[in-house]
Amino acid sequence: GDSVTQMEGPVTLSEEAFLTINCTYTATGYPSLFWYVQYPGEGLQLLLKATKADDKGSNKGFEATYRKETTSFHLEKGSVQVSDSAVYFCALISAGKSTFGDGTTLTVKP
Amino acid sequence: GAVVSQHPSRVICKSGTSVKIECRSLDFQATTMFWYRQFPKQSLMLMATSNEGSKATYEQGVEKDKFLINHASLTLSTLTVTSAHPEDSSFYICSARDRSNVLTFGAGSRLTVL
Repeated sequence: GDSVTQMEGPVTLSEEAFLTINCTYTATGYPSLFWYVQYPGEGLQLLLKATKADDKGSNKGFEATYRKETTSFHLEKGSVQVSDSAVYFCALISAGKSTFGDGTTLTVKP
Repeated sequence: GAVVSQHPSRVICKSGTSVKIECRSLDFQATTMFWYRQFPKQSLMLMATSNEGSKATYEQGVEKDKFLINHASLTLSTLTVTSAHPEDSSFYICSARDRSNVLTFGAGSRLTVL
């Protein structure tokens, strides 16, 4: 079956540091890929998405590129802020079914 | 943007009772909704896929008689936890898939079974 593997956390960074959270996947067919974010005490929100190979999703300074050759969708941000502290989930949808990674907790310290 | 309303946000019940959680897509039609359980270490476990007008598809290990799912319309799916026990206490989350294949999540429901 489909699976999503993302970098284990927790990840702790200083403000303005560069962020990478790795995500790789296995899926049959051609999945759509997503990053969701869950801020403390809140539900999951869509951060960005990519629906086909080489697509780049971007939002709020975060970026991720759909790499079919490496089956990856790594999340990056050039300069993190304290307000980016949250749990980040990599996910795919394929053949009508959703699969999530285990989540990576990011803490950004001032 | 798309909004999914999940209700109730918190519920406390006695062991042996049943609890119903509703998930509504407010401004779009969702032929498919998903139900998840989020455990304390944060991982999301897909419980079932709910398709409008048909029976839900349950993931392996999820008891369909325990977790009843009904998707009666294009905007409403319900999860009923029957004869709840303390081990059913958890955070339950629904999501609805729109036509662009994006999932919009409800805010979640915290169930505590005493």
